[in-house]
Amino acid sequence: QSALTQPASVSGSPGQSITISCTGTSSDVGGYNYVSWYQQHPGKAPKLMIFDVSNRPSGVPDRFSGSKSGNTASLTISGLQAEDEADYYCSSYTINSTYVFGTGTKVTVL
Amino acid sequence: EVQLLESGGDLGQPGGSLRLSCAASGFTFSSYAMSWVRQAPGRGLEWVSGISGSGGSTHYVDSVKGRFTISRDNSKNMLYVQMSSLRAEDTAVYYCAKGLRSWGSGSDYWGQGTLVTVSS
Repeated sequence: QSALTQPASVSGSPGQSITISCTGTSSDVGGYNYVSWYQQHPGKAPKLMIFDVSNRPSGVPDRFSGSKSGNTASLTISGLQAEDEADYYCSSYTINSTYVFGTGTKVTVL
Repeated sequence: EVQLLESGGDLGQPGGSLRLSCAASGFTFSSYAMSWVRQAPGRGLEWVSGISGSGGSTHYVDSVKGRFTISRDNSKNMLYVQMSSLRAEDTAVYYCAKGLRSWGSGSDYWGQGTLVTVSS
């Protein structure tokens, strides 16, 4: 199972919106509505930001939103804030009943 | 409050074995699937293995099949992974993660991780 493809880095100014893409195949992203997104600050454990493509866990700001079209999922951060600077990983359930993570995207707030 | 505390990380020899443990609290442990996810130094996340709430169903990434065994003791709220035939590429921080309501939905709580280093 190959890792899902994410851009290595995305940047934006405070207040702007950015979108991170996550491309897989019909055996993972395209086949199930089971895409999740995780935020990871340096030296910290990952934190769930989005599950089941577009659902936010309690406590996650509504600035974070998720969507999917075909084999590509997306995470949008609106109203970018300094504390959003982190690594972001997508993850998808797969046809083998396993999970696969994305390659990771470093978000920089300019 | 959900808490996950991993232990057992250590320096292991190539070809050797290690067992990691994860102590869970703050939720009905037997009702949720659990996973192990690892992160090699400076690298991304890699899902390693998962187990259903009852322990009756287990899943592995291809690179650890036949070498790692995931298990759980619901009477003790403990998750384990027995790692054998260790390789240098198994070097990573290993996280224990609690599953969401459905297998497939991902993990909503993570431990702080335990470091496994495989080297002679």
